[in-house]
Amino acid sequence: SQQGEEDPQALSIQEGENATMNCSYKTSINNLQWYRQNSGRGLVHLILIRSNEREKHSGRLRVTLDTSKKSSSLLITASRAADTASYFCATSDIRNAGGTSYGKLTFGQGTILTVHP
Amino acid sequence: DGGITQSPKYLFRKEGQNVTLSCEQNLNHDAMYWYRQDPGQGLRLIYYSQIVNDFQKGDIAEGYSVSREKKESFPLTVTSAQKNPTAFYLCASSAGNTIYFGEGSWLTVV
Repeated sequence: SQQGEEDPQALSIQEGENATMNCSYKTSINNLQWYRQNSGRGLVHLILIRSNEREKHSGRLRVTLDTSKKSSSLLITASRAADTASYFCATSDIRNAGGTSYGKLTFGQGTILTVHP
Repeated sequence: DGGITQSPKYLFRKEGQNVTLSCEQNLNHDAMYWYRQDPGQGLRLIYYSQIVNDFQKGDIAEGYSVSREKKESFPLTVTSAQKNPTAFYLCASSAGNTIYFGEGSWLTVV
């Protein structure tokens, strides 16, 4: 079953506008991550927010996390046509043991973002 | 350059055949993963491996098998028992909280 559920499923905006995507999850997490996927390609890590953090920024990206509501949002400001992609949230129970990190990322179904020039 | 290499990019399987997807990484990561992605869907975990000679089933392991004989390699075999294997398969590795992905392999049953 999917842990993260993104909303909306698809988002279409004009260049320069902001894009907001939301993610809800069901169980306790260590951290939540956002990934980007261009069509037919692998996923690229964008940003990670830990369960004890509420907001994090990276360039034009802003991520918030509300553990009481089990939800997160990804804001892309001043969007560009090159931002067109699918965006996935993923919740993590990554653990560390004996110096090795391992575990599972559970992904949502993604938001398809289209930015029109 | 460091990274994860998946091959082949495109693979066609006949009914009843087993096929093996290759995944090699030179990132010196201990953990490796295989995910399946269906059109318009998120990723589902097939198998993961924490260290050499050890692996665990993910959420949809039925019809798949893996091996982890070397740290760098984590091949996935799609067996004839997998009744709906047409999908995009993604290999990944990690050495911390971030997971790094290969470029994926498309498998189609013909």
